[in-house]
Amino acid sequence: DQQVKQNSPSLSVQEGRISILNCDYTNSMFDYFLWYKKYPAEGPTFLISISSIKDKNEDGRFTVFLNKSAKHLSLHIVPSQPGDSAVYFCAASMGWETSGSRLTFGEGTQLTVNP
Amino acid sequence: ETGVTQSPTHLIKTRGQQVTLRCSSQSGHNTVSWYQQALGQGPQFIFQYYREEENGRGNFPPRFSGLQFPNYSSELNVNALELDDSALYLCASSGRGWGANVLTFGAGSRLTVL
Repeated sequence: DQQVKQNSPSLSVQEGRISILNCDYTNSMFDYFLWYKKYPAEGPTFLISISSIKDKNEDGRFTVFLNKSAKHLSLHIVPSQPGDSAVYFCAASMGWETSGSRLTFGEGTQLTVNP
Repeated sequence: ETGVTQSPTHLIKTRGQQVTLRCSSQSGHNTVSWYQQALGQGPQFIFQYYREEENGRGNFPPRFSGLQFPNYSSELNVNALELDDSALYLCASSGRGWGANVLTFGAGSRLTVL
């Protein structure tokens, strides 16, 4: 039972253009969502998060959008840079009071930004 | 501020053996969790420890066990290794309260079971 799904295993984008990574979830109890980035031979690093009480959170070039009715979130990277090339994981939580550090991850999307 | 460090980085075991993986938490973090990442998959939650006690467990059998020490470092032990245990094992640390979901991960220990 895959509660968090990233349906695109890979995405290729030209430098300077927008990258859009998508994520769907099935468990309506999830109320906090995160994106992590992973380079080869490194652990995942936190990128940006959003609470279910919001529909948008922005941090520099990164924006996460949440559509609760559709159980869908997306990560926008504008403009994309070659250094953004990495695997991006979507993760969900039921909130720290309930689940602490328990995150449910998607399968990941390999983003390649071409110069 | 030191990050999360894990050892060993790579190891090879045979079926039926036992393995111990180690993790040092980031300074100031008192919760540690372990994740298993199989090839081509996302990390999957194994369990978390707080105040040296298991405080939440994923869908993993009892042969996966752990310890957290007073200095917040941690061990993951896996007994009776199976071929499907081959994976990258990630340790993550976090604080409590708001922000507990924002985990700091180590680079992982890659286990190969032959």
